[in-house]
Amino acid sequence: NAGVTQTPKFRVLKTGQSMTLLCAQDMNHEYMYWYRQDPGMGLRLIHYSVGEGTTAKGEVPDGYNVSRLKKQNFLLGLESAAPSQTSVYFCASSFASSGANVLTFGAGSRLTVL
Amino acid sequence: DQQVKQNSPSLSVQEGRISILNCDYTNSMFDYFLWYKKYPAEGPTFLISISSIKDKNEDGRFTVFLNKSAKHLSLHIVPSQPGDSAVYFCAARPNFGNEKLTFGTGTRLTIIP
Repeated sequence: NAGVTQTPKFRVLKTGQSMTLLCAQDMNHEYMYWYRQDPGMGLRLIHYSVGEGTTAKGEVPDGYNVSRLKKQNFLLGLESAAPSQTSVYFCASSFASSGANVLTFGAGSRLTVL
Repeated sequence: DQQVKQNSPSLSVQEGRISILNCDYTNSMFDYFLWYKKYPAEGPTFLISISSIKDKNEDGRFTVFLNKSAKHLSLHIVPSQPGDSAVYFCAARPNFGNEKLTFGTGTRLTIIP
């Protein structure tokens, strides 16, 4: 049981290049999320999805796009990378339930934009 | 506007003593509060949660206390062990839109052997 898997784990981009981060979960979770972690900023929500075919903006969505074509996958795209997008990106998933809504996180993807 | 605040970026505690991590929030609509633990090069993992209708929740060495009037919660770890050295994030979600979890900035806990 892999849980939440993120690929790639590391990537270096030049300003203006594009790339896609892939997140896959095998827990049949309805909700999926993309967060970024920056020093002194904690974890900030970029985009999220409450089900297949749906996406919504989080706290810091600018410069990113997402797609949830299949329930188990959530893609995060950068169309034109900027140095400000240098960060560690975490994907997470959870059941669509009331209560604490515990998120299960992937191991992270470290992106550097030069 | 940081709705969930962890004002101590770091904390060092002797092994065997109590570790107390603090978290303050500003949104009175928060309904559930969670603590996550993060080791380097890994994703955060869930530790313990508390509902706003309670003021204490305990799980082994970990206890979370909630003071709604002060909009303050704390995580107590006793006794502290070297494996507890990690970054701890406080998080909260409102009583509607439960898909949105807001995180604090984290506190790096170091347990000194």
